[in-house]
Amino acid sequence: SAVISQKPSRDICQRGTSLTIQCQVDSQVTMMFWYRQQPGQSLTLIATANQGSEATYESGFVIDKFPISRPNLTFSTLTVSNMSPEDSSIYLCSVGLAGRGTEAFFGQGTRLTVV
Amino acid sequence: QQQVKQSPQSLIVQKGGISIINCAYENTAFDYFPWYQQFPGKGPALLIAIRPDVSEKKEGRFTISFNKSAKQFSLHIMDSQPGDSATYFCAAREGGNTPLVFGKGTRLSVIA
Repeated sequence: SAVISQKPSRDICQRGTSLTIQCQVDSQVTMMFWYRQQPGQSLTLIATANQGSEATYESGFVIDKFPISRPNLTFSTLTVSNMSPEDSSIYLCSVGLAGRGTEAFFGQGTRLTVV
Repeated sequence: QQQVKQSPQSLIVQKGGISIINCAYENTAFDYFPWYQQFPGKGPALLIAIRPDVSEKKEGRFTISFNKSAKQFSLHIMDSQPGDSATYFCAAREGGNTPLVFGKGTRLSVIA
């Protein structure tokens, strides 16, 4: 299994500012995934972060808005830039362990409110 | 394009009854099918998961039924309790290094 620590757990931010969310895993993993969950909605994949290469973004998400770092095999950050109230969501990181069919683990999430 | 279709959107069940949530998928490369439970203000928590080589998996009051030929899987909650009231998400994935694809969620309310 994997234990994922995500910081901060929640924050209230002013519009126009940026917030960096940290995700720390207790074991080395190849891929880390960042999701967004808007109020009352399902989880939507933002990007996949592979250590040593640029993150791969899903349609509708761009690097300028959601820059991601992946400096090593146990850590990643997601920055929400130039925030607006529409960015108010829960942001979650997730990892999968190598091999087919293994469990997916989630951090506890970061609840972001932009005012 | 929604890869995992979940129904119903909301569900009300009497205490002690059976809650059933269904999901359907198209991608035959999916090999891992988890269900997540989410309470308001919290992140999703893994509830139970199944792989396509079995047709059913049971953990306590929670059972996943899997129909590979129909490309469908469902969550059954037996003896539903008010504490089970939450949003449930089905998901699917091709392998350990690929992201999960989620259904839209089912809001379950268990009433006394």
